[in-house]
Amino acid sequence: NAGVTQTPKFRVLKTGQSMTLLCAQDMNHEYMYWYRQDPGMGLRLIHYSVGEGTTAKGEVPDGYNVSRLKKQNFLLGLESAAPSQTSVYFCASSPLGEGEYEQYFGPGTRLTVT
Amino acid sequence: AQKVTQAQTEISVVEKEDVTLDCVYETRDTTYYLFWYKQPPSGELVFLIRRNSFDEQNEISGRYSWNFQKSTSSFNFTITASQVVDSAVYFCALSEAKVNRDDKIIFGKGTRLHILP
Repeated sequence: NAGVTQTPKFRVLKTGQSMTLLCAQDMNHEYMYWYRQDPGMGLRLIHYSVGEGTTAKGEVPDGYNVSRLKKQNFLLGLESAAPSQTSVYFCASSPLGEGEYEQYFGPGTRLTVT
Repeated sequence: AQKVTQAQTEISVVEKEDVTLDCVYETRDTTYYLFWYKQPPSGELVFLIRRNSFDEQNEISGRYSWNFQKSTSSFNFTITASQVVDSAVYFCALSEAKVNRDDKIIFGKGTRLHILP
């Protein structure tokens, strides 16, 4: 079991460029999440998905889009990167439930936008 | 609305001292779950413990212990005889029991713990 994997681990973008971050999980989890972590801000939820084909906005969705075409994958897209999107991005997954399960996190992607 | 407050932004203690990390939460639900995660300098997030709102028993796991008090809406974490390897950022989190498949966890902003040799 690889758990939750994220691709890439590091990336540097120029302002206005686009990119897609890939999250994959092999635990057959129903729920998947994208967070960003900034100094002093903790983890903030960008978007999440409660199942294949579904997505929903979290706390800080602006400037990002997501897709969950396959249950095991959750993609985070930046259409036109801005320096404010410089952050560490974490993907997570959890089993179907009513909030009782912990989230399993990927190793993170460090993104710098210049 | 849900809220998790970790008032201690950063704590430094000397190795072997005991240290308590505070977590205060807000929720209107009667059924909810509380979590602690550890983020060591390597960056990954590691799950430590889960507690549901109906179980107020304190828990001990080795040098780690957790004190859950509904009366004060707190779920504090104590490390006894701290070690340098305990240096990390610790996050407290809250999840409300949902029947509409909205399974979100709200994280506090974290407490950075430095254990000095």
